[in-house]
Amino acid sequence: NAGVTQTPKFRVLKTGQSMTLLCAQDMNHEYMYWYRQDPGMGLRLIHYSVGEGTTAKGEVPDGYNVSRLKKQNFLLGLESAAPSQTSVYFCASIDRSSYNSPLHFGNGTRLTVT
Amino acid sequence: SQQGEEDPQALSIQEGENATMNCSYKTSINNLQWYRQNSGRGLVHLILIRSNEREKHSGRLRVTLDTSKKSSSLLITASRAADTASYFCAPHLIQGAQKLVFGQGTRLTINP
Repeated sequence: NAGVTQTPKFRVLKTGQSMTLLCAQDMNHEYMYWYRQDPGMGLRLIHYSVGEGTTAKGEVPDGYNVSRLKKQNFLLGLESAAPSQTSVYFCASIDRSSYNSPLHFGNGTRLTVT
Repeated sequence: SQQGEEDPQALSIQEGENATMNCSYKTSINNLQWYRQNSGRGLVHLILIRSNEREKHSGRLRVTLDTSKKSSSLLITASRAADTASYFCAPHLIQGAQKLVFGQGTRLTINP
């Protein structure tokens, strides 16, 4: 049981390049989330999904797109990377069948945009 | 904002002392959860307290919840160097329950 797995772990992009971050969970969770964390800061919600085929905007959605084609996967895309998107990205999932469930986090993707 | 707000933002204590951090939120909750983040890693769930509970213990952790004041506190007793981390609260709101937002956290440093 791997939990939440994020790939890649590290990536360096040049301004204007695109990339996709993959989050996979094997716990059959309905809800999935993408957060970014800048140095010394808390987590900010980018986008989230409450089920396969559905996505919603979080606090800081601009410059990102997401897709949830399969229940176990939640993809975060950067179409044209900017230095302001240099950050650590965390994915998380939660079981919606009980409100008294914890979030499960991946170990993060460290992205640098030069 | 739907997030919990942690206070203080930073806390530095000597090993063996107790550490207390607080969380305030704005609307009704199903439960409130505390998480720890070690540097550069994902958040790890510590403890969950339901809205009908007032206090909960887990090892050296003690969490209290006052729904009338919309606040919670996390107490770590007999602190250790390994407790050095950032701590976040996550109120699980009744309204908009699926949009889980975090505050800035409390950065705890345990000095040897």
